[in-house]
Amino acid sequence: DQQVKQNSPSLSVQEGRISILNCDYTNSMFDYFLWYKKYPAEGPTFLISISSIKDKNEDGRFTVFLNKSAKHLSLHIVPSQPGDSAVYFCAASAGGTSYGKLTFGQGTILTVHP
Amino acid sequence: GAVVSQHPSWVICKSGTSVKIECRSLDFQATTMFWYRQFPKQSLMLMATSNEGSKATYEQGVEKDKFLINHASLTLSTLTVTSAHPEDSSFYICSALGGAKTQYFGPGTRLLVL
Repeated sequence: DQQVKQNSPSLSVQEGRISILNCDYTNSMFDYFLWYKKYPAEGPTFLISISSIKDKNEDGRFTVFLNKSAKHLSLHIVPSQPGDSAVYFCAASAGGTSYGKLTFGQGTILTVHP
Repeated sequence: GAVVSQHPSWVICKSGTSVKIECRSLDFQATTMFWYRQFPKQSLMLMATSNEGSKATYEQGVEKDKFLINHASLTLSTLTVTSAHPEDSSFYICSALGGAKTQYFGPGTRLLVL
């Protein structure tokens, strides 16, 4: 049962344009969402997060949008840079006994062309 | 801030031997750490939650007697793969839980069992 899904395995974008990475979830108990960037043979690097009480969070070039009714979140990168090329994972966390535990999506490979 | 280290970064061992992997939070204290495994072209799969001063909790399907976890202090958790076999070859990643339910990941350990 894949509770967090990233349906696009890959995305290709031109440098300077916007990259939009999407993520869907099914578990209504999730109340905290995160995006991580990962290079091969390295651990994920935290990018940005959002609590379920918000619908938008912005940090520099990165903005995360949350649509709770649709159980959908997206990461916008503007402007995209070649150094952004990596695998992007969305992750979700619930409260209670699952506090802090993350469920990851499958990842989306972003390639930004110069 | 929020730096997590892992040691070793890669290890090759013979089948039947045990391997210990260390995970340290360098600039913050973490009462909770997590251990993940990632097989090629797959997402990160949570193996267990490591709590300082108490027993680790394992995800379904993860053998607790094979993957021994010790969270000896607020900055150190160790994973020991006992009697390793080739099917245990994988990329093992730890994370430490920081504030606001954000996990900070180590760089990972590549294990190859011959």
